[in-house]
This record gives sequence, C-alpha cells and structure tokens, in this order.
Amino acid sequence: DIQMTQSPSSLSASVGDRVTIACRASQSITSNLNWYQQKPGKAPNLLIYGASSLQSGVPPRFSGSGSGTDFTLTISSLQPEDFASYYCQQNYDTPWTFGQGTKVEIK
Amino acid sequence: QVQLQESGPGLVKPSETLSLTCTVSGGSISNYFWSWIRQSPGKGLEWIGYIYYSGSTNSNPSLKSRVSISVDTSKNQFSLRLSSVTAADTAVYYCARYTPMTLGNFDFWGQGTLVTVSS
Repeated sequence: DIQMTQSPSSLSASVGDRVTIACRASQSITSNLNWYQQKPGKAPNLLIYGASSLQSGVPPRFSGSGSGTDFTLTISSLQPEDFASYYCQQNYDTPWTFGQGTKVEIK
Repeated sequence: QVQLQESGPGLVKPSETLSLTCTVSGGSISNYFWSWIRQSPGKGLEWIGYIYYSGSTNSNPSLKSRVSISVDTSKNQFSLRLSSVTAADTAVYYCARYTPMTLGNFDFWGQGTLVTVSS
C-alpha cells in the first residue's frame, strides 16, 4: 500500500495567516493527489484534485502544488470558515489511501 | 446536484454482517465508480472498495475477504456488506462517487452513518 504522511498533525493559526500543509507519499504518485476539507460531523469535501486543480466552487485562496512524492496545500489568507481538518488522498494505485489529517485550529 | 444518502442499521452485533445501502439522486449511477469509505478515530479515513455501474468491483485487501459491494442500477443504489464484524469495524461509513475524469477523485459524498459493533 502507498502510505501518505501529512505534517503537521495540527496547527494553530490566526485569521489572515498563510497556512501550508505538507503531504508525502511513500512512492511516486505522479500528480494523482487530492485534498479534502472536513468539518466536525460532516463528510469530507473535495478542494483540490490532480495535485493543483481547484474544484469548482472552492475559493481561490486554496491552492495545491507538487508532484512525485511531495505535495503542499496552501491557504493564502485563512478565513474563519477554514478552521477544519484537511486530508490528502492518493488515487495512483489501489488501495486508495488517505493521510492521517491535519487539524487547523484557531490561535 | 448529485446527492448520496446512506441507510442501514446503526448497531450490529459482533460476528454478524453489516449491511448498508447508498441511494443516489440528482444524477445517474451510470459511468461512474461508487465507493464506500469509513472513518474511525483509530484508523482515520479508510477506503473500503468501489463498484463500477457495470458491476465490476475492487476492494481494499485489508478487508477483501469480508467485503461485498453490489449495485442496482434500476434503483440508483449500491450496497455494502461486511461480514464477521468486530468492534474494530465501528466507524462512520460514507458512500461517495469517484469520478475517473481529471485524474480521479471523490467529488460527492453522503453525509455518513455511524455503525457501532456491540452486543
């Protein structure tokens, strides 16, 4: 199985901050990497697909980059509604796997 | 807008079979892959398996011997059966649409249903 490792596991930030979350795959997954946002009690919501493409309806303050084994999700200016957990997911090969998540909390 | 809704028992006894159904509305079940994903505090998000509308399936090897996924295109539904459950199978179970276009992603999800395994 391809292991996905996110860092950090949690972070505290203020509204307006630039936030970066890293995701590393245990082998190359080319650009087959997606990012999801999850709020408490809700299902995950697709933010970024194909490592860097913004899903329709997602604010442009969210961006993704990377290829191969190292990827990054960036929130350019954190908004109150962005406090949530974020997960990366690879679909390069089955079993499709997720990172363990990064919880973004209010400082 | 595509919507997915899970249904099934919220409590299952150990060693019995967990059965869930996902009903898809607002779009056809054709031409997409339909997945089950679960989330537990101990293991995070775990992909269980998928079924293509034509009936072909793929599942996580960690669960493969216990998982069965089926589809009923006439009802726009797909279903999960997980046999011989234990407390480790307690989780929130989500159904989701996997779109193979644009490198593939889970673009629509159900709200999730909590299944507890307990006697």
